[in-house]
Amino acid sequence: GAVVSQHPSWVICKSGTSVKIECRSLDFQATTMFWYRQFPKQSLMLMATSNEGSKATYEQGVEKDKFLINHASLTLSTLTVTSAHPEDSSFYICSAEDHEQYFGPGTRLTVT
Amino acid sequence: AQSVSQHNHHVILSEAASLELGCNYSYGGTVNLFWYVQYPGQHLQLLLKYFSGDPLVKGIKGFEAEFIKSKFSFNLRKPSVQWSDTAEYFCAVIPMDSSYKLIFGSGTRLLVRP
Repeated sequence: GAVVSQHPSWVICKSGTSVKIECRSLDFQATTMFWYRQFPKQSLMLMATSNEGSKATYEQGVEKDKFLINHASLTLSTLTVTSAHPEDSSFYICSAEDHEQYFGPGTRLTVT
Repeated sequence: AQSVSQHNHHVILSEAASLELGCNYSYGGTVNLFWYVQYPGQHLQLLLKYFSGDPLVKGIKGFEAEFIKSKFSFNLRKPSVQWSDTAEYFCAVIPMDSSYKLIFGSGTRLLVRP
């Protein structure tokens, strides 16, 4: 089946720094990838839709200047959390679309 | 607000017990429906999906779900659970007017005791 990877699986950073999370489709090409955020004991919330070669589409309430998304190739999308704050600590999950969405294992971000 | 509701946040069962997890949605139009499972330490995996046709859908690992349009429900069932079914289960909906955006329920954590 289709496999999606994320790197890193967990990261700790200091307030004010930026963190980049990679999402890769390993055995298929994905024109569209999605970024979700999951708070403890809550559901996945769609943050943005990443389209290869064009600007990402952000959901209402998601700051596009804070959560920078780049989808430079058909197998890679990156999410950069800029000027991270403790409230950005969360579990970030990506998915890649190939007739259905295939999910990555997630990245746990802790901002100290 | 439009949403997906999973009423059971935690469920504890003994092996061989039957399972039913509730899922209700509030979208009035056509929807595609999904159940995902997340085993401990693993990524989300698709259990089953409903797009159209027979409202009783069979998925992997003996799971099934029934779409009842009049009740806006898509409950997940398994006749006899195993310890290996311990996981978190998410119901998700794509309202067909929103260009393939998955809306997730809050999840149900299932613990199956051996």
